[in-house]
Amino acid sequence: EVQLVESGGTLVQPGGSLRLSCAASGFALSNYWMHWVRQAPGKGLVWISRINSDGSDRIYADSVKGRLTISRDNARNMMWLQMDSLRAEDTGIYYCTRKAGHASGMDVWGQGTTVTVTS
Amino acid sequence: QSVLTQPPSVSGAPGQRVTISCTGSSSNIGAGYDVHWYQQFPGTAPKLLISGNNNRPSGVPDRFSVSKSGTSASLAITGLQVEDEADYYCQSYDTRLNVLLFGGGTKVTAL
Repeated sequence: EVQLVESGGTLVQPGGSLRLSCAASGFALSNYWMHWVRQAPGKGLVWISRINSDGSDRIYADSVKGRLTISRDNARNMMWLQMDSLRAEDTGIYYCTRKAGHASGMDVWGQGTTVTVTS
Repeated sequence: QSVLTQPPSVSGAPGQRVTISCTGSSSNIGAGYDVHWYQQFPGTAPKLLISGNNNRPSGVPDRFSVSKSGTSASLAITGLQVEDEADYYCQSYDTRLNVLLFGGGTKVTAL
């Protein structure tokens, strides 16, 4: 079964750090660009970051640039999101998704992991 | 504020046709980048509904269709069903900003 499973979400204080993980199974991670998407409570989807197939190119939303870092290990079928200098507005459900390219949609989503940034 | 603009809500009677617009600009939809549509039910992860040029994943009913013209795209539900009540999001890429974009989302209600 093709699956993405996120983990690592928790409650953290402003200014703190966290690392989210995304474990892929049922397919070769190396064939896909991977993304993180956030959804704040009661709000819409916000794209956060993308990493290309071999990890050589990464792009970020302006709101997280310099604070969040996306990475991957194709041999382990894993992707991560290192989150530093966290702010209240980073609160939400974080989904990892896969995408084969610009012409393809995000066709597999994880169940999400919840990050709450509060003092 | 999303760079891709969707109406917050649309509604229709069961069996009617409803459309959801997604308005962008010359650096995203107008530049020819594909628009993808997602469906999300409360408390669940989003699901890819239609990808690019009317490519529906297996299991998605053909009452869902898309169109694109200029800097806008649209999702149509022909023959609205009660089970179609959900939030719908459009998504594309912006070449000027070098980011992926989601629309703000549209809540569909069957009256």
